[in-house]
Amino acid sequence: QKEVEQDPGPLSVPEGAIVSLNCTYSNSAFQYFMWYRQYSRKGPELLMYTYSSGNKEDGRFTAQVDKSSKYISLFIRDSQPSDSATYLCAMQSPGGYNKLIFGAGTRLAVHP
Amino acid sequence: GAVVSQHPSRVICKSGTSVKIECRSLDFQATTMFWYRQFPKQSLMLMATSNEGSKATYEQGVEKDKFLINHASLTLSTLTVTSAHPEDSSFYICSARDIQDNQPQHFGDGTRLSIL
Repeated sequence: QKEVEQDPGPLSVPEGAIVSLNCTYSNSAFQYFMWYRQYSRKGPELLMYTYSSGNKEDGRFTAQVDKSSKYISLFIRDSQPSDSATYLCAMQSPGGYNKLIFGAGTRLAVHP
Repeated sequence: GAVVSQHPSRVICKSGTSVKIECRSLDFQATTMFWYRQFPKQSLMLMATSNEGSKATYEQGVEKDKFLINHASLTLSTLTVTSAHPEDSSFYICSARDIQDNQPQHFGDGTRLSIL
């Protein structure tokens, strides 16, 4: 079993739709949770960073963490074609040198 | 925001050539930098963790003599792919963390390496 599970998609939605992306994890030591967006042939770009259960909102993006269920989500409201990218969840346990554990990444296509 | 610059963005060279890739944190100090490799349509695979002033820590299966890492300052780490062969062709990405604790990693834009 992988430490982090993420459906690779692809996920195709019409413009304006609400998108829900999810990851589950098995390691209860994870305390920090991130969502990255990666466009083709580019490095990942940090979208959201959370370290507690609950919701965090930034513009059209909402990150949700449920530590009791070991489940995290990213919601994108009013999706745009420019949101088409691969979305990677990542997690980390405390400690300066601890590495990120990535999900497989979900490919999202938002069509006009 | 935190900016990580990676250079070059694209390299095409002959088999047997050694290639150096630079990773710089532009507006913060990074005690730790990370090097990843990514194959098409796959997630990032951590190759090594680079710590300023000390030897890098390599992941299992990554050849230390093949992928040389130097982290000489708090803003610069380099990855040298020695005697590169076609199977080394890939997308290499670095990331850096701020010297302060519990900060997320910020990534460079990657280097696409093609060995002919």
